[in-house]
Amino acid sequence: SNSVKQTGQITVSEGASVTMNCTYTSTGYPTLFWYVEYPSKPLQLLQRETMENSKNFGGGNIKDKNSPIVKYSVQVSDSAVYYCLLGDCGGSQGNLIFGKGTKLSVKP
Amino acid sequence: DVKVTQSSRYLVKRTGEKVFLECVQDMDHENMFWYRQDPGLGLRLIYFSYDVKMKEKGDIPEGYSVSREKKERFSLILESASTNQTSMYLCASSSSDRTSIFGQGTRLTVV
Repeated sequence: SNSVKQTGQITVSEGASVTMNCTYTSTGYPTLFWYVEYPSKPLQLLQRETMENSKNFGGGNIKDKNSPIVKYSVQVSDSAVYYCLLGDCGGSQGNLIFGKGTKLSVKP
Repeated sequence: DVKVTQSSRYLVKRTGEKVFLECVQDMDHENMFWYRQDPGLGLRLIYFSYDVKMKEKGDIPEGYSVSREKKERFSLILESASTNQTSMYLCASSSSDRTSIFGQGTRLTVV
């Protein structure tokens, strides 16, 4: 079945580069979204990856594929929760699975 | 176990009907949000609220309104449902020091 896994928490110092992983399994034709959530704000879309712009054009039965997001030279203001979201159009159109989010803490 | 509850998992409505989607949270959160999710488009923000009786338009408010008479309840209203409002609707709530908690979603079909 479809699934999404994310690292729970990452703490870095300002100026560092950070890679946040999202490992997903999909039985259909996935679109992967990255969102950022700042406190008390709605989710903001950061990145979208579809079958057309991914390296895997096979479709169906993708297992444990990692689709990370990388932030370079992070600032304290980048501290937020980053969600990975899998939308899968195979079979049941519009399935949506959230990762639990990665909480990024950037220290000055 | 804290949660956000949406009143219906599946709904089928006719074009022109007035539709109410209800969302209730039990965490005393100040902030509540309504999103819709369509294949390939991800989540899009419809409306949000930072407090009782407060509302702010999101990215796609046209054709929708909201009501927040009590802190725990945030209602999304489709004044006159249309087929292009067929979608998955997600409610979320959050407080200033916690991340969003999402409801299970309501799949609305307008025929």
